[in-house]
Amino acid sequence: EIVLTQSPGTLSLSPGDRATLSCRASQSVKINFLAWYQQKPGQAPRALIYGSYSRATGVPDRFSGSGSGTEFTLTINRLEPEDFAVYYCQQYGGSVTFGGGTKVEI
Amino acid sequence: QLQLQESGPGLMKPSETLSLTCSVSGDSISSSTYYWGWIRQSPGKGLEWIATIYYNGKTYYNPSLESRLTISGDKSKNQISLELTSVTAADTAMYYCARHLGYCDGAGCYIWFDPWGQGTLVTVSS
Repeated sequence: EIVLTQSPGTLSLSPGDRATLSCRASQSVKINFLAWYQQKPGQAPRALIYGSYSRATGVPDRFSGSGSGTEFTLTINRLEPEDFAVYYCQQYGGSVTFGGGTKVEI
Repeated sequence: QLQLQESGPGLMKPSETLSLTCSVSGDSISSSTYYWGWIRQSPGKGLEWIATIYYNGKTYYNPSLESRLTISGDKSKNQISLELTSVTAADTAMYYCARHLGYCDGAGCYIWFDPWGQGTLVTVSS
């Protein structure tokens, strides 16, 4: 099973800042099948990125994904108030596992 | 607009069988375009993929839960259902239904999830 480790656990930032979230895999993720999700309190996760860098439908372009192999990054440019949430990565290269999440807080 | 609505028992006792239903509107589970299935979230284990079903009835399960799981689809009602037998406190979680994008084959599942339903909370307690 591929273990995904997200860092940092919590990121304290201000609106307008750039957020850089890391997701490290215990082994290489096939075909860079890596997705990112946003979850706000009391809500279900929402897909942001799939295939490491492709934005899901309706996702603002301030969200971008990058990386390959075992190292992946979600970048949020110019944080908006609604972006403060928990973010999860998920690999889907034959099995499916999720990371433990990074909380982006004000 | 696609909507998924989960329903479940809420509170259960250990050893019982959990039955969940997901009603899908705005898309058809009979379409070959997507897969459908379940993910759960608990404070202890985080997010965990549970099971997936395709329009042709093929099913795919998380190996760690497979022996206790059955996923099925009712095309006439456009619903997906999940059964989990012999529940314990470790099965306490929010259970989400989701459309699965990607594919599954004999080598595994290459799927991500969009959108998700609002979830149904299941608590297992004696």
